[in-house]
Amino acid sequence: EAQVTQNPRYLITVTGKKLTVTCSQNMNHEYMSWYRQDPGLGLRQIYYSMNVEVTDKGDVPEGYKVSRKEKRNFPLILESPSPNQTSLYFCASSGGRSSYEQYFGPGTRLTVT
Amino acid sequence: TQLLEQSPQFLSIQEGENLTVYCNSSSVFSSLQWYRQEPGEGPVLLVTVVTGGEVKKLKRLTFQFGDARKDSSLHITAAQPGDTGLYLCAGERTFYNDMRFGAGTRLTVKP
Repeated sequence: EAQVTQNPRYLITVTGKKLTVTCSQNMNHEYMSWYRQDPGLGLRQIYYSMNVEVTDKGDVPEGYKVSRKEKRNFPLILESPSPNQTSLYFCASSGGRSSYEQYFGPGTRLTVT
Repeated sequence: TQLLEQSPQFLSIQEGENLTVYCNSSSVFSSLQWYRQEPGEGPVLLVTVVTGGEVKKLKRLTFQFGDARKDSSLHITAAQPGDTGLYLCAGERTFYNDMRFGAGTRLTVKP
């Protein structure tokens, strides 16, 4: 089954404790991205990657890191999480080298206390 | 401010009614997509419109892309409770290689 998977689905952590949210897709897609979703603000792009070893900042990259060492994986790293990073996070992938027609993962709800 | 403004933000209607959701911007997009999101899940793509003036139909849903490719609308005919969800529009900006989302319209269809 073609899908985008994220782990964990739920995470509660404390300020400053480094964490990684994994994202994997099995569709051989080149384009992958991370979004955060907050009430009233919709989805905002954090980082995106057009191919292996190619990443770029989206609208809200501060406080986040990503890497794209393999085509299928695109982990999101929070080196020192803060409460304002409490949000619902989505990973997405697309077959082309753009954000056209993205497939989204199920989401990761992160709470930073 | 959002690059894409969706209206209304909330919509609660009775089963069988018709409705229209709007997605407006001052920017031009190379394509515009509509997604539907259910609680606890990621957005799911409904349709992509590419050509200015394009109209696409998906059963009871009709999507239109503005002539200038700056706006779009989603019209649902005879809404059903199963249409309940968050509807998101998203515009692709080719030059910027990104996708910008509207804040969404939360639709509730009461039986």
